[in-house]
Amino acid sequence: NAGVMQNPRHLVRRRGQEARLRCSPMKGHSHVYWYRQLPEEGLKFMVYLQKENIIDESGMPKERFSAEFPKEGPSILRIQQVVRGDSAAYFCASSPPNGQTGEQFFGPGTRLTVL
Amino acid sequence: GQQLNQSPQSMFIQEGEDVSMNCTSSSIFNTWLWYKQDPGEGPVLLIALYKAGELTSNGRLTAQFGITRKDSFLNISASIPSDVGIYFCAGPRPGGTSYGKLTFGQGTILTVHP
Repeated sequence: NAGVMQNPRHLVRRRGQEARLRCSPMKGHSHVYWYRQLPEEGLKFMVYLQKENIIDESGMPKERFSAEFPKEGPSILRIQQVVRGDSAAYFCASSPPNGQTGEQFFGPGTRLTVL
Repeated sequence: GQQLNQSPQSMFIQEGEDVSMNCTSSSIFNTWLWYKQDPGEGPVLLIALYKAGELTSNGRLTAQFGITRKDSFLNISASIPSDVGIYFCAGPRPGGTSYGKLTFGQGTILTVHP
């Protein structure tokens, strides 16, 4: 039973380039969440998606960041025109359709470095 | 906004010792989650608590949901080197329309000396 999968595990971009981070939830899970973690800090919520719907994007920066979870395929977190401050670890989590308990299961993360 | 405060920030202990850490909030939470994060990896769910006063164990780990609903405690008994890592408390935002948004504490860094 595969867990949450993220790729790439490491991503290096130059300032101004685009970063695309992918997340495949656990089998049977239809809710996906994205979090960002800066060094020596806790995780900060970014966005919560269900298939083809953004449920809560209150943690997403207003510009350059977008997320989607299409009917088919992985969830994508897209960062346009990256800046050095975007360097961080980005984690995806998933939960089952009736997940009213709040439990979320995390992937291994994508570590983004902006040069 | 709601914040979770964890203490201590870091702990250095000898193998075999017991460990206690806690998490407090200024707001009530209806669910408390404890995660462990190893270097370079994502958080792994250790224990989930759903009722005030609840005490739940997972092997050498025991966690409690505080009666006031504003705190939680995690204990590790007879620590071993592989317990090294960062321990986070987290909880979904109470009163919202969804359980989507987890709030995390800043973590307790545990170092175990053999």
